[in-house]
Amino acid sequence: ILNVEQSPQSLHVQEGDSTNFTCSFPSSNFYALHWYRWETAKSPEALFVMTLNGDEKKKGRISATLNTKEGYSYLYIKGSQPEDSATYLCAFLNYGGSQGNLIFGKGTKLSVKP
Amino acid sequence: DSGVTQTPKHLITATGQRVTLRCSPRSGDLSVYWYQQSLDQGLQFLIQYYNGEERAKGNILERFSAQQFPDLHSELNLSSLELGDSALYFCASSVERSNSPLHFGNGTRLTVT
Repeated sequence: ILNVEQSPQSLHVQEGDSTNFTCSFPSSNFYALHWYRWETAKSPEALFVMTLNGDEKKKGRISATLNTKEGYSYLYIKGSQPEDSATYLCAFLNYGGSQGNLIFGKGTKLSVKP
Repeated sequence: DSGVTQTPKHLITATGQRVTLRCSPRSGDLSVYWYQQSLDQGLQFLIQYYNGEERAKGNILERFSAQQFPDLHSELNLSSLELGDSALYFCASSVERSNSPLHFGNGTRLTVT
């Protein structure tokens, strides 16, 4: 059974702090790794889709790295703001699977205090 | 706004009943996916349709079924409902390329009493 683990489960930081969290996934048959941001009462919104080992992606103050050989991805938020408060989901797609076979982690819930 | 429309937003029904959830994908997306999120669970994949055909199946119960119509909208039918079916049901759509993300609707909150 393929498993995607995210840590920590939740995180409380002060405004201005930088933070990071981890997504672990199977290192074999890797195809793609997705990151989504899910605000309360809204729908998950795509941040990044990463497909290459060593890939780094950036969107404003949020960036992500990917290590497919060891099966992990980090999401970094620089200078957290209250509006960054959300649950961050990662999802793993193995080779040969369609997008429907994305396996989601349970997410890291980030709370940023003003 | 993701461009994916789900109706209704909320649904309250009794055990044993049947409901239909509706999803209109983003313009141009041929793939539609259904996910279930229960308390303390991650997003659980139910089923995927691509251009009217079933493409992939996840942990979908036999009491649940789905279809995608020629206009690409999709319906998820849940029957003989049980208390444990109470959950948030998401629809998502994509263009089904290796580097394409999913675009999620706002979900339907189903409560079975």
